[in-house]
Amino acid sequence: AQSVSQHNHHVILSEAASLELGCNYSYGGTVNLFWYVQYPGQHLQLLLKYFSGDPLVKGIKGFEAEFIKSKFSFNLRKPSVQWSDTAEYFCAVSPNQAGTALIFGKGTTLSVSS
Amino acid sequence: EPEVTQTPSHQVTQMGQEVILRCVPISNHLYFYWYRQILGQKVEFLVSFYNNEISEKSEIFDDQFSVERPDGSNFTLKIRSTKLEDSAMYFCASRADRTGNYGYTFGSGTRLTVV
Repeated sequence: AQSVSQHNHHVILSEAASLELGCNYSYGGTVNLFWYVQYPGQHLQLLLKYFSGDPLVKGIKGFEAEFIKSKFSFNLRKPSVQWSDTAEYFCAVSPNQAGTALIFGKGTTLSVSS
Repeated sequence: EPEVTQTPSHQVTQMGQEVILRCVPISNHLYFYWYRQILGQKVEFLVSFYNNEISEKSEIFDDQFSVERPDGSNFTLKIRSTKLEDSAMYFCASRADRTGNYGYTFGSGTRLTVV
């Protein structure tokens, strides 16, 4: 069965620090990859997604992620975090087949201090 | 930007009661989903729905759960006899095409509290 691993449970950073959140998945076929953010008390919002093409994907709010197929990884990065980036971040994977569900990682809590 | 709408935002129910959670997906989307998130845990897939029938379901989605799309716009999740462990945030999602090129759009969720 497919699975998604997020290595960092809780990350604490100061403003302007660089961020990298790890995500690895297990699935042998073609996948669609997503990062979602959940701000306190709010619903899931799509940060970025990868389907094909350039493995470096740019999303909203200055986030980017790089798909490394050989490592089954899709790490999320941001060069300089802000206090407003404090949230829960979820990596999710879906096999590239019609109707398949998203499999989520357990999430990483990011706390940014000003 | 189109949204997925969920009602109610918060529902409190007594153990053993039936609840219906409602969702209005984006109108031109083809696939509909329910996910849940127990407090402090990851988001878990419950069920997917396509062409007026269930296309995939998880182990969580047992006989106590059912889904339907009664009128072509609403998409409902029914829990027949709620248990304490059903307390969670329930998210509805929809997406457009076969390969998810439009990603999933999630609703704001319904917080279900079973007492």
